[in-house]
Amino acid sequence: EAGVVQSPRYKIIEKKQPVAFWCNPISGHNTLYWYRQNLGQGPELLIRYENEEAVDDSQLPKDRFSAERLKGVDSTLKIQPAELGDSAVYLCASSLIWAGDGTQYFGPGTRLLVL
Amino acid sequence: GIQVEQSPPDLILQEGANSTLRCNFSDSVNNLQWFHQNPWGQLINLFYIPSGTKQNGRLSATTVATERYSLLYISSSQTTDSGVYFCAGGKTSYDKVIFGPGTSLSVIP
Repeated sequence: EAGVVQSPRYKIIEKKQPVAFWCNPISGHNTLYWYRQNLGQGPELLIRYENEEAVDDSQLPKDRFSAERLKGVDSTLKIQPAELGDSAVYLCASSLIWAGDGTQYFGPGTRLLVL
Repeated sequence: GIQVEQSPPDLILQEGANSTLRCNFSDSVNNLQWFHQNPWGQLINLFYIPSGTKQNGRLSATTVATERYSLLYISSSQTTDSGVYFCAGGKTSYDKVIFGPGTSLSVIP
């Protein structure tokens, strides 16, 4: 079974430029998460989807970040415009919350460097 | 919101040694997970353990939900165990999980 797929793996951009990250979750998983991980810290949730619906986006900086999950499968996270402080690893995870088991499976992440 | 503490923050082990990592929560959680982040950054789920004890090879975990803590045991450590270990918890399976700051483990030959 294929794991969570993310692309690109690495991205270097100049500040004020837009950037987009893509995630394909494990087949059949209804819940999808986007996290941001700064160096030396644990991941922090940006947004969580249940199928197509964003059920928790309280941590998403909505002035510059946007996300979508069309058809409840793939998801895209966008930053426009990027700032220096956005340099981080962006992680996508998915889970199939069934019988109370919320085990999350993570993709390899996208390492973003904003110059 | 839920606060998560992990100890120790850093740990250096000789290959073959055993270790115990601890995770404390400020509030009760029913969605508790342990992860290993390898040196290449990949996060691997080790255990989903809201309560009780589970074992997987040389790793085992115990969660005492009433006292809001969980322990991760690593026995006969190997160099491949190096990396950062995170615990994460949420109120329910349907809530977001909060990650702790991690324990950085280095296993030396």
